[in-house]
Amino acid sequence: DTAVSQTPKYLVTQMGNDKSIKCEQNLGHDTMYWYKQDSKKFLKIMFSYNNKELIINETVPNRFSPKSPDKAHLNLHINSLELGDSAVYFCASSQGRGLLELFFGEGSRLTVL
Amino acid sequence: EDQVTQSPEALRLQEGESSSLNCSYTVSGLRGLFWYRQDPGKGPEFLFTLYSAGEEKEKERLKATLTKKESFLHITAPKPEDSATYLCAVGPNTGFQKLVFGTGTRLLVSP
Repeated sequence: DTAVSQTPKYLVTQMGNDKSIKCEQNLGHDTMYWYKQDSKKFLKIMFSYNNKELIINETVPNRFSPKSPDKAHLNLHINSLELGDSAVYFCASSQGRGLLELFFGEGSRLTVL
Repeated sequence: EDQVTQSPEALRLQEGESSSLNCSYTVSGLRGLFWYRQDPGKGPEFLFTLYSAGEEKEKERLKATLTKKESFLHITAPKPEDSATYLCAVGPNTGFQKLVFGTGTRLLVSP
């Protein structure tokens, strides 16, 4: 049973389109995250939710909108995709708000043409 | 600004050839330093957390150490299955899980 699962694993789309990535965790954790990993493998946090409440919102264009319908799910919607949005997006979860071990999904590779 | 620098970028070892990976950091109050392993096409997998200078942790052939400015991941007698990218991350002194990652060291262990 996969602990943190993301769909889709691969996304290829045209500039200007809108796309969504879904994430679900079955670990019973109360905190979920979106990280972006660029072509240089640099992993940077974008958002974090704790019990459906947004607690971290880094400097991310407002074309990116996270949504957490419940504490086991965190989705990422991206409007008006740009070339620079091409990256691997990782969902992660942890228990609690503190500095704890993160459990990552396998990533969703987004390619914008 | 909180920053993590890892060296070398890439390291190639023969099986059994021990070595160390370095993680240098500058952070406004360190709450914890993490090591993760990332295999190609996969998400990072947690290895260790270190909280204070002088602390050491071990897991199989890996040993992580921490000073006030850097951390080392020592790999003793590595095997090909240890090949991966090793990521270091620091948790600054905030209330939330806001890790700052380095760009990793790609390790390749040849048989």
